[in-house]
Amino acid sequence: SQKIEQNSEALNIQEGKTATLTCNYTNYSPAYLQWYRQDPGRGPVFLLLIRENEKEKRKERLKVTFDTTLKQSLFHITASQPADSATYLCALVRAGNNRKLIWGLGTSLAVNP
Amino acid sequence: NAGVTQTPKFQVLKTGQSMTLQCAQDMNHEYMSWYRQDPGMGLRLIHYSVGAGITDQGEVPNGYNVSRSTTEDFPLRLLSAAPSQTSVYFCASSPENRALYTGELFFGEGSRLTVL
Repeated sequence: SQKIEQNSEALNIQEGKTATLTCNYTNYSPAYLQWYRQDPGRGPVFLLLIRENEKEKRKERLKVTFDTTLKQSLFHITASQPADSATYLCALVRAGNNRKLIWGLGTSLAVNP
Repeated sequence: NAGVTQTPKFQVLKTGQSMTLQCAQDMNHEYMSWYRQDPGMGLRLIHYSVGAGITDQGEVPNGYNVSRSTTEDFPLRLLSAAPSQTSVYFCASSPENRALYTGELFFGEGSRLTVL
């Protein structure tokens, strides 16, 4: 079955540095990959979507890359701020008939001032 | 716009009791869904709906019922609560059933349910 793996260990970085989060998937090739942010006690908030034929997508300080050969997506936050501290979830939509979202467990990011 | 509104935010039930988690959205979204989120398990789809009068099962539907009589509302019913249903429940919506393929999901703030 399809599986998504995100860094299970929390990521701690210094303010101003670039945070890089990883999402690896196995088996099937996703048609689309989404990234969400989730704060404690809140619902996930959509950030970015990247399609299988796109290598990179940007939105303000956020950048997502998609490497279908490595079966990996990287999520970058440049010039990180303490307000970026949250859990970041990766979700993929499989190509084919069964196009349901498959979610990773998320990576916790802490940006220290 | 309030977005996706879930009630109640917290609920404690005894085993065997029934209850309904309410979800309403004011964005005229066709697609609505219910997820549960558990530590170590991630988000799992319970039921979803692609429009009024249409519902379908997700990956963990047992013990839950849904109905979609209007575009705005998508209540989740627990028929006979069990401790295994202790979880945080999220309702999510999307502008059209393209949510099954590409569309971003708009989540509510969650309902934390404890079953004793």
